[in-house]
Amino acid sequence: NAGVTQTPKFQVLKTGQSMTLQCAQDMNHEYMSWYRQDPGMGLRLIHYSVGAGITDQGEVPNGYNVSRSTTEDFPLRLLSAAPSQTSVYFCASSPFDRGRNKYFGPGTRLTVT
Amino acid sequence: QQQVKQSPQSLIVQKGGISIINCAYENTAFDYFPWYQQFPGKGPALLIAIRPDVSEKKEGRFTISFNKSAKQFSLHIMDSQPGDSATYFCAALGGGSTLGRLYFGRGTQLTVWP
Repeated sequence: NAGVTQTPKFQVLKTGQSMTLQCAQDMNHEYMSWYRQDPGMGLRLIHYSVGAGITDQGEVPNGYNVSRSTTEDFPLRLLSAAPSQTSVYFCASSPFDRGRNKYFGPGTRLTVT
Repeated sequence: QQQVKQSPQSLIVQKGGISIINCAYENTAFDYFPWYQQFPGKGPALLIAIRPDVSEKKEGRFTISFNKSAKQFSLHIMDSQPGDSATYFCAALGGGSTLGRLYFGRGTQLTVWP
């Protein structure tokens, strides 16, 4: 199993550009989520999904969109990038034991200039 | 509002010493408390976790102590090693309307000197 994969590893965007961060898992996990990590702030939940076709907002959803058309994939879209979205983004998945044991991907480091 | 408060922000320990990281929470609906370990350039990985009906859980050199009445829990790393140098996050799992949502502390950067 590859586990949770994320692409790209690094990305530089200009303010106003849009892009999609990709996340895929091959563990047949129902639960998937996106976090951002900023220095001294821990990990903050952006959006999450409890299964294909079902998504919900986390703590910091503004400026981001998600969709879940398959169990495996959970892309995160930045609609119009802003410098405040400079961060490291992590995707996580977990089996539906109430999402207890989360498996994180390696992260995408995004810089918005 | 920070749902889980973690301290200290950074910790330096000598090899062989005990590392202690503390966390506190307010929401009594939380019912699962994991700790994650993160090495530079990697994603966090589950280290150890505890349910609130247990006061202590030990796995090797890592122990969680849980005080339900005080709404506090802590991670103890015995015989700390340079390989333990990493960032540690405590977390709490939501229930009810926040079912499955994990709330993280802000992290503790642990450095173990040889």
